[in-house]
Amino acid sequence: AQKITQTQPGMFVQEKEAVTLDCTYDTSDPSYGLFWYKQPSSGEMIFLIYQGSYDQQNATEGRYSLNFQKARKSANLVISASQLGDSAMYFCAMKSYGQNFVFGPGTRLSVLP
Amino acid sequence: TAGITQAPTSQILAAGRSMTLRCTQDMRHNAMYWYRQDLGLGLRLIHYSNTAGTTGKGEVPDGYSVSRANTDDFPLTLASAVPSQTSVYFCASMKVAGQGATGELFFGEGSRLTVL
Repeated sequence: AQKITQTQPGMFVQEKEAVTLDCTYDTSDPSYGLFWYKQPSSGEMIFLIYQGSYDQQNATEGRYSLNFQKARKSANLVISASQLGDSAMYFCAMKSYGQNFVFGPGTRLSVLP
Repeated sequence: TAGITQAPTSQILAAGRSMTLRCTQDMRHNAMYWYRQDLGLGLRLIHYSNTAGTTGKGEVPDGYSVSRANTDDFPLTLASAVPSQTSVYFCASMKVAGQGATGELFFGEGSRLTVL
């Protein structure tokens, strides 16, 4: 069975510092995609970044990067230069071909001024 | 572009009553999904539809039904609501092969349902 684990229910980071949100996954499929979504207090789900299982390089999108370690089955999200607006819930998700998305329980990030 | 529209945004419902959450997308995505979000559990899939005319059960389908009469609409019905169905419900859609697939899910803004 496919599973996403996010072991950090809550995280704090000082403004302008970098922070890493952990995500590990479990799948037997060789081809899959890994996603991160942000959910601010307003409630909407915002897509941040995508990593394919065959991608050779780690994905980056602005201040977001995905630290993909395939052998360890981890896909940690790194946010550089944290901003107050980064305070939100962050969800890691995975999708394999022919399977539906699986989401982790989320990590609540609080950015301190 | 509207993307995905959900209605209502919030509803209080008496236990035993029926309720339909509406979901409409204007992106012509083939696949659509209903999730519920509960604290500490993330998003759990209720039902999905890979294309118009087909539906499938997700992780937590009991007490819910869906239909997919056309590409754009994917309503979720609670036939007889119970308090454990109090949750935030998200409708989502996804591009699939042939539409420039990215695999990214597009979400509606959510419907907060309280069953008393």
